[in-house]
Amino acid sequence: NAGVTQTPKFRILKIGQSMTLQCTQDMNHNYMYWYRQDPGMGLKLIYYSVGAGITDKGEVPNGYNVSRSTTEDFPLRLELAAPSQTSVYFCASSYRASTTDTQYFGPGTRLTVL
Amino acid sequence: DAKTTQPPSMDCAEGRAANLPCNHSTISGNEYVYWYRQIHSQGPQYIIHGLKNNETNEMASLIITEDRKSSTLILPHATLRDTAVYYCIVLNAGNNRKLIWGLGTSLAVNP
Repeated sequence: NAGVTQTPKFRILKIGQSMTLQCTQDMNHNYMYWYRQDPGMGLKLIYYSVGAGITDKGEVPNGYNVSRSTTEDFPLRLELAAPSQTSVYFCASSYRASTTDTQYFGPGTRLTVL
Repeated sequence: DAKTTQPPSMDCAEGRAANLPCNHSTISGNEYVYWYRQIHSQGPQYIIHGLKNNETNEMASLIITEDRKSSTLILPHATLRDTAVYYCIVLNAGNNRKLIWGLGTSLAVNP
């Protein structure tokens, strides 16, 4: 299993540009998440999905959109990039049971908006 | 969701036990304690979790006090590769559970 994969690893955007961060998992997990991590800070939840076709907002959803058409893929879309979106973005997935919710993380995408 | 408090940084000598404390004084009965770590800006890695009993796996041990208001993650024989930021997270077992990340403890394992 590859686990959770993310592309690209690095990206530089100009203000106002748009892009899609890709996330794929091969563990057949229903739950998927997008986080951002600013320097020296913990992770903040942007959006999450409990299954194909179902998404919901996290703590910091403004400026982002998501879709979940398949179990495997959970892309994150930035429509009008702003310098405040400079961050490292992590995708995660989990199998959620009643007593456990271990999340598996991808390697991250480092995004700089200039 | 209950909040957690961790020391910002700790040091440990290689080969010794690393004991990382976490305070979660407002934890409620159905909330689990989870520990993750993040090595040098990589994606976080799950370590261990528990409800009220002590837990052990191949990576670490988790000791939860009887009143559940604090816990300690123990790395029994720390190596240089254990240098990382360690996050203690309290997770509600209900349907609307989400991980709320704090700043964690930056553990430096020294040779």
